[in-house]
Amino acid sequence: DTEVTQTPKHLVMGMTNKKSLKCEQHMGHRAMYWYKQKAKKPPELMFVYSYEKLSINESVPSRFSPECPNSSLLNLHLHALQPEDSALYLCASSQNAGGNQPQHFGDGTRLSIL
Amino acid sequence: AQSVTQLDSHVSVSEGTPVLLRCNYSSSYSPSLFWYVQHPNKGLQLLLKYTSAATLVKGINGFEAEFKKSETSFHLTKPSAHMSDAAEYFCVVILDNYGQNFVFGPGTRLSVLP
Repeated sequence: DTEVTQTPKHLVMGMTNKKSLKCEQHMGHRAMYWYKQKAKKPPELMFVYSYEKLSINESVPSRFSPECPNSSLLNLHLHALQPEDSALYLCASSQNAGGNQPQHFGDGTRLSIL
Repeated sequence: AQSVTQLDSHVSVSEGTPVLLRCNYSSSYSPSLFWYVQHPNKGLQLLLKYTSAATLVKGINGFEAEFKKSETSFHLTKPSAHMSDAAEYFCVVILDNYGQNFVFGPGTRLSVLP
């Protein structure tokens, strides 16, 4: 079992739907991350939150909207997605926002856009 | 530019034989390096990390890696492969001094034959 919990595990949605992905960690980590992973590819960084503030946005389209309500929770709000957005979405956390700390990953949400 | 190269996209070994997964990096300063494993439909699990301490790093499940600065390499090894080792393996370098930006290698898929 991973220490980073992501829900739901699978999500199928139409292009006009609004949905949210949730990520939770209780390790006291102060940095949290969203990644997108396509099949047979490494994860691609989308967003970084450091002490609940957005610190990195890797030019992600506005149809993806991150939110960090508190130090344990990270959400990714989805609206008007495209078929090419179908992927595995991974959440990760690390102890600090800097230094050389490893990231701890959840098992991801498998997203399919119809 | 900082980058990570994994020389083999696919490695196939027989059960009980040694495993060697190769990783070379390019970095303008002393890097922090990690190996992660990803089993199908799962998130990434940290195998081991190098953060400028001992150059031979021992990880979980019998894996180890040796940091060689002169060769800019961080190859992953295991003396005897198990069927459960079949997975995707990613070598990762921390890109910047803030430690937030992981740079992933393209990945190596390890197959273990009975």
